[in-house]
Parts: sequence; structure tokens; C-alpha cells
Amino acid sequence: DAGVIQSPRHEVTEMGQEVTLRCKPISGHDYLFWYRQTMMRGLELLIYFNNNVPIDDSGMPEDRFSAKMPNASFSTLKIQPSEPRDSAVYFCASRRSQGSTDTQYFGPGTRLTVL
Amino acid sequence: AQSVAQPEDQVNVAEGNPLTVKCTYSVSGNPYLFWYVQYPNRGLQFLLKYITGDNLVKGSYGFEAEFNKSQTSFHLKKPSALVSDSALYFCAVRDGGATNKLIFGTGTLLAVQP
Repeated sequence: DAGVIQSPRHEVTEMGQEVTLRCKPISGHDYLFWYRQTMMRGLELLIYFNNNVPIDDSGMPEDRFSAKMPNASFSTLKIQPSEPRDSAVYFCASRRSQGSTDTQYFGPGTRLTVL
Repeated sequence: AQSVAQPEDQVNVAEGNPLTVKCTYSVSGNPYLFWYVQYPNRGLQFLLKYITGDNLVKGSYGFEAEFNKSQTSFHLKKPSALVSDSALYFCAVRDGGATNKLIFGTGTLLAVQP
């Protein structure tokens, strides 16, 4: 299995631009999680999906952030407009519910820099 | 609410010596506890978990963790540290109830000196 795939690995953009981060979960996994990691705040859960449906988006910082999961093999996290304080590493993780004990598998992350 | 605490920002140990990375938890109900490791510029990798059963859990790369209910601790251990073990280690607990969140600690940087 290829593991969780994220793209791009690095993104540099200017303040005010739209940013779209992409994630492909492990095949057969029905939960998908988006996290953000910064030095100041550590690892934060932004949102998670089950069977493509958003279950808990209480961690999404504000309306500039949105996430979608149009099908079982693809999810996006969009920031519009982006701000310098959004600079962070964004991780996607997935897990399987059936026969699972909550182990999440993480992608390599997208390092976002907003200038 | 469920929570975990990692009291040490950094742990330094000499190669070949035993290492311990500390984690304490607070949960209502039975805890589901995890350890993850993050190498530089990489995502988190699962090391081991405790769900039920034996209090000593063995995981990847020679790591193990001991669940101690009376002390509400889940410390990560390894008998003999390697320089390649140097990384950021996260303890996590499954959030309770009907949610499926993992609540992560702040992380502990392990530095193994040659």
C-alpha cells in the first residue's frame, strides 16, 4: 500500500491567495482527518470525515478554512484567503473503522508558507 | 475531557543507555493510548498502542510502553537507545464517547548522543 498521499509537499504563496491542499487516504479507510502542526500550538485536529461526511469541524479555525471529501479516495483542505498565520505543516491521516482500534496513519504533510 | 500530558519538552540520553519518555493521561472510562514518532520533515508514524490486556505493550523499533492505571501513566521505554531514535515523540489518547478523535500531547524531543 502506498500509504496516505498528500500534495503538494511544499507550498509557498502570498497573503490573500487561495491555497488547496490535497489528500488521498489509504484504500479501504473510511475515516479521514486533517491536522495542523505549528511550534506554538502543536498538533491540532481541524476536521474529520467518516464515509466522506464531515463529522466534526470544531477545530477549523475560521471561515477561511473549508474541507471537502467528494469521494472515498480524495479530500481537499482549502484556505481562502490565506494569511501569514496559516503557515504550518498540514497533515492528513486515515484509519479504518472495521476491525480497527483507532490507529491513524499519517501522510508526509504539506508545509505551507504564506508570505 | 480526555487529555494527555508530556511533562518533558526534551529528553537527552547517551547511545546504549535505556530511555524513558513520560506520558500521563486523564480519561473517563477505559483509556485507549497511543505513541507516535515523528522524524524530521516526516509525518507521524504509529509505534504502539494500549487498548486492553497486558500492561506492557511492545511496539515497533524495539520500543515498549507500560500502562499504569494507578498512576495514570503510559511511559515509553527502550532498553538501549540508538542515535537513530532521535525524533519527536507524541503520546495520544482516544477521545471518549461517540467521537473518533485522538488527543495528542505536546510532544517530547528525544536526543540520543553518540
